[in-house]
Amino acid sequence: SQQGEEDPQALSIQEGENATMNCSYKTSINNLQWYRQNSGRGLVHLILIRSNEREKHSGRLRVTLDTSKKSSSLLITASRAADTASYFCATRSQGGSEKLVFGKGTKLTVNP
Amino acid sequence: GAGVSQSPSNKVTEKGKDVELRCDPISGHTALYWYRQSLGQGLEFLIYFQGNSAPDKSGLPSDRFSAERTGGSVSTLTIQRTQQEDSAVYLCASSPYGGDYGYTFGSGTRLTVV
Repeated sequence: SQQGEEDPQALSIQEGENATMNCSYKTSINNLQWYRQNSGRGLVHLILIRSNEREKHSGRLRVTLDTSKKSSSLLITASRAADTASYFCATRSQGGSEKLVFGKGTKLTVNP
Repeated sequence: GAGVSQSPSNKVTEKGKDVELRCDPISGHTALYWYRQSLGQGLEFLIYFQGNSAPDKSGLPSDRFSAERTGGSVSTLTIQRTQQEDSAVYLCASSPYGGDYGYTFGSGTRLTVV
């Protein structure tokens, strides 16, 4: 079953603009992770935020986590054409299996 | 190795045949996962191995699917009597330990059942 639900399903922006993607989930989590997927093959881990953290940065990426609303957002600043990809959130449930449960993803297109 | 290696990268098989997909995780990673992704969809969990513990098989869709991990390293996912709905990209990932670390994914095996 899907735990995370990304919003929007698709996003198209111009190079240099910021892109914001949101993720909502249902159960209490241990951590939430964001991944990028190019061309429908392997995923690349971007960032992990633990349940006791509220914000995390990595380069042009900023992730926030609101456990009271069971939601997270991924902000990509100053986007580039190379950021075009699908972005997935994944959650590890608290007290449950070690496996991550992935959402269906947001397809981001950055136009040059 | 430097990354997670999956083979073959593409596999076309006839309906009813058995297939084996291989995953070679990063050396030293104790956790290994199999997911599948149908066209334009998210990732569906299949099975999780952690060290010598019994695997979490809760995601396997039917008894036609099985997986093993030999010597805590290489894993093989076997699909018996393949059906057209088994067509998908099968992704393997490994991590140093469980879900508290990011996963490193392989490039996947694209399975097409004709």
